[in-house]
Amino acid sequence: AQSVTQLGSHVSVSEGALVLLRCNYSSSVPPYLFWYVQYPNQGLQLLLKYTTGATLVKGINGFEAEFKKSETSFHLTKPSAHMSDAAEYFCAVSEAFSGNTGKLIFGQGTTLQVKP
Amino acid sequence: GAGVSQSPSNKVTEKGKDVELRCDPISGHTALYWYRQSLGQGLEFLIYFQGNSAPDKSGLPSDRFSAERTGGSVSTLTIQRTQQEDSAVYLCASSLLGGRGTEAFFGQGTRLTVV
Repeated sequence: AQSVTQLGSHVSVSEGALVLLRCNYSSSVPPYLFWYVQYPNQGLQLLLKYTTGATLVKGINGFEAEFKKSETSFHLTKPSAHMSDAAEYFCAVSEAFSGNTGKLIFGQGTTLQVKP
Repeated sequence: GAGVSQSPSNKVTEKGKDVELRCDPISGHTALYWYRQSLGQGLEFLIYFQGNSAPDKSGLPSDRFSAERTGGSVSTLTIQRTQQEDSAVYLCASSLLGGRGTEAFFGQGTRLTVV
């Protein structure tokens, strides 16, 4: 089975501070990992993904994530938070055991609050 | 269209009534997914369509839930005899080919409230 755990349901940072959102996964096969962002009353938007290759992945809006197999982690970072980054963030793994469907297993989400 | 379109955006229904939720995927996308987002359960997979293949219904929570996809495009999720626990946001997503590693594009969702 596969699963995703996001540590911290709420994270609060000051504008300009480092953003760190934590994600750990469990998978018996090499995982394909995603970070999605959801703004209020909107659908999910892909920030970045890791499939194979370079373990440091750069995404949109200045976000990046590093795949660390030894730590089973895929934490999301941004050097300097903007007010517009306030949203809910979801880490997900692409399910691997019921055909090549691309269906996603999501973590519980982390709400990012950015304080002025 | 420019993105995944879902309708209605909000739906309030009485317990026991049937509801239909509609999804228009991005033109040319062969894969279509339905997910449910609720406070208690987070984001859960419901059903997957890929071209003309039999759908993967493994995530449907009960036989009150069904979905179809006509002509490889528009999809309808039907919930019969709605219950209060069905209250959630239902998200539709599509991707070009499906498969692990492909990006899914999400609609804005339908917020269903069962009273």
